Amino acid sequence: KNQVEQSPQSLIILEGKNCTLQCNYTVSPFSNLRWYKQDTGRGPVSLTIMTFSENTKSNGRYTATLDADTKQSSLHITASQLSDSASYICVVSDHYGGSQGNLIFGKGTKLSVKP
Amino acid sequence: ETGVTQSPTHLIKTRGQQVTLRCSSQSGHNTVSWYQQALGQGPQFIFQYYREEENGRGNFPPRFSGLQFPNYSSELNVNALELDDSALYLCASSLARQGYTGELFFGEGSRLTVL
Repeated sequence: KNQVEQSPQSLIILEGKNCTLQCNYTVSPFSNLRWYKQDTGRGPVSLTIMTFSENTKSNGRYTATLDADTKQSSLHITASQLSDSASYICVVSDHYGGSQGNLIFGKGTKLSVKP
Repeated sequence: ETGVTQSPTHLIKTRGQQVTLRCSSQSGHNTVSWYQQALGQGPQFIFQYYREEENGRGNFPPRFSGLQFPNYSSELNVNALELDDSALYLCASSLARQGYTGELFFGEGSRLTVL
């Protein structure tokens, strides 16, 4: 069964510190992996999309890595800010195709950044 | 701003009633998908519309139905509401091309409470 597991479930860090969120998946065949940021009560916003051939991708202070062999991805946040407080959702697409039903969502990691 | 708008933002219904949620997709996008997100969970895929036809559906009963209009806007209809239908309903638009699930742009969601 295609699944996406994220850890930790929640995380509290101090402003200015770095953190790393994990995503493990059992999706096959693999097409691409996406990270979204979702503020409480709002829609998710895309951070990165990575295909099989990409090992790392950055978007400002956010850096995503992908190891397609071990089926793991991480999202590293550098010099955290209060505005980084949100849920971070990992989404994996199981193959090239038109239906959005091929996107498998993780439950997300809830990050709280404290002053 | 993603260019995807949803209405209403909040609504309260009672068990057994019917509800219609609306979504205007980003200009140029031909695909709309709908998701249900319960509190503390990741989004769950309901269905997708591509050029006015449903072309993918998640594990939701037939009382969840939808439409896509020629301008690619969309509606989600839910009949015979149940308490468990209380959730944030997210709409996402994308530009689907052959063999590729496009990047999703989410709206801010419609928060439905069923009493």
